[in-house]
Amino acid sequence: EVQLLESGGGLVQPGGSLRLSCAASGFTFSNYAMIWVRQAPGKGLEWVSQISGSGGDIYYADSVKGRFTISRDNSRDTLYLQMNSLRAEDTAVYYCVKDWGGGTSVLASWGQGTLVSVSS
Amino acid sequence: QSVLTQPPSASGTPGQRVTISCSGSSSNIGRNTVSWYQQLPGTAPKLLIYSNSHRPSGVPDRFSGSKSGTSASLAISGLQSEDETDYYCGAWDDSLNAVVFGGGTKLTVL
Repeated sequence: EVQLLESGGGLVQPGGSLRLSCAASGFTFSNYAMIWVRQAPGKGLEWVSQISGSGGDIYYADSVKGRFTISRDNSRDTLYLQMNSLRAEDTAVYYCVKDWGGGTSVLASWGQGTLVSVSS
Repeated sequence: QSVLTQPPSASGTPGQRVTISCSGSSSNIGRNTVSWYQQLPGTAPKLLIYSNSHRPSGVPDRFSGSKSGTSASLAISGLQSEDETDYYCGAWDDSLNAVVFGGGTKLTVL
């Protein structure tokens, strides 16, 4: 069974940094692209970033480009999201998501999410 | 403003068939497959339909999807009270190099 467990969320001041982690199990981690999706309170889904299984292909939403960095450690089956220069509008639940496979960008399996609150 | 356009709300009575539309453009739905996600209150979204019309294991066959040109639809037949929740469409956008979503549709079972 696929399990995705996010951690690292919390309250941070504007301009601050946080690193989210996502521990994966139940599948061969290195074979799948991984994605971060966020959802602001009461709002819809927003794709944030994704990384290929090897880590060689990375994409970012324009809203986070230059501030967020996605990475993965295939030896530890863990996905990361380093978030710098945080803004109030980054406040959201951040979900770690496993791709369906084959680079389909189908968001197949979701973690339970971790809440990031950016406020002074 | 979402890249894909969904109606903000939809409704139906138990047993009825309802459809939710998702409109895009040539750079997303026109070139790539569409997925649908169901989000129950207070929980993470769940994949409902992928590759326009395929259901993952465990999704009831009451749920079906279709795509034509730059639009897609989710149909729910035999509507049940537990179907009352939020639904999102999504697709890869070749121009943005990003997954784009619709704004979500809140389905009410009357």
